[in-house]
Amino acid sequence: EAQVTQNPRYLITVTGKKLTVTCSQNMNHEYMSWYRQDPGLGLRQIYYSMNVEVTDKGDVPEGYKVSRKEKRNFPLILESPSPNQTSLYFCASSLSVTGGKEFQFFGPGTRLTVL
Amino acid sequence: SQKIEQNSEALNIQEGKTATLTCNYTNYSPAYLQWYRQDPGRGPVFLLLIRENEKEKRKERLKVTFDTTLKQSLFHITASQPADSATYLCALDISGGYNKLIFGAGTRLAVHP
Repeated sequence: EAQVTQNPRYLITVTGKKLTVTCSQNMNHEYMSWYRQDPGLGLRQIYYSMNVEVTDKGDVPEGYKVSRKEKRNFPLILESPSPNQTSLYFCASSLSVTGGKEFQFFGPGTRLTVL
Repeated sequence: SQKIEQNSEALNIQEGKTATLTCNYTNYSPAYLQWYRQDPGRGPVFLLLIRENEKEKRKERLKVTFDTTLKQSLFHITASQPADSATYLCALDISGGYNKLIFGAGTRLAVHP
């Protein structure tokens, strides 16, 4: 089944404790992206990747890191989480960015609480 | 900065009627606009994409229009059903066609039997 998976789905942590949220897709997609969703603000892009070893900042990259060492995986790293990073996080992927293949497949989401 | 607005209040309609959701934007000329559906506790699901040179797109009971002069997209669900109840998000490409999207906050639709 074609899908984007994220782990963990739920996480409660404390300020300053490094964490990683994994994202994996099985569709051989080139483009991957991370978003956070907060009430009233909609989805905001954190980082995106056009292909392996190619990443760039989105709209709200502060406090986050990413890597794209393999095509299928795009982990999101919070080196020192803070309470303002409490949010619902989504990973997404698309086959390409042009040619009718721009639509994105989203993962199920990771609800993160930072105390 | 780019701004994208959707009806913040929930839209309540009767089953069988047509639901119309709006998406307005400022300060940009997007290459395309996408609509997604999101159910509670789940990730968004892609519905339709419409490009700047297209006026209208249809898919089954769904229709999207795109007016680049008014900077507005309308999303219609005809013959609505309770199963259509969800939050609908519009997303604008702001990178000239390279899939850097900004999303609206979404409009919640409730279809009553």
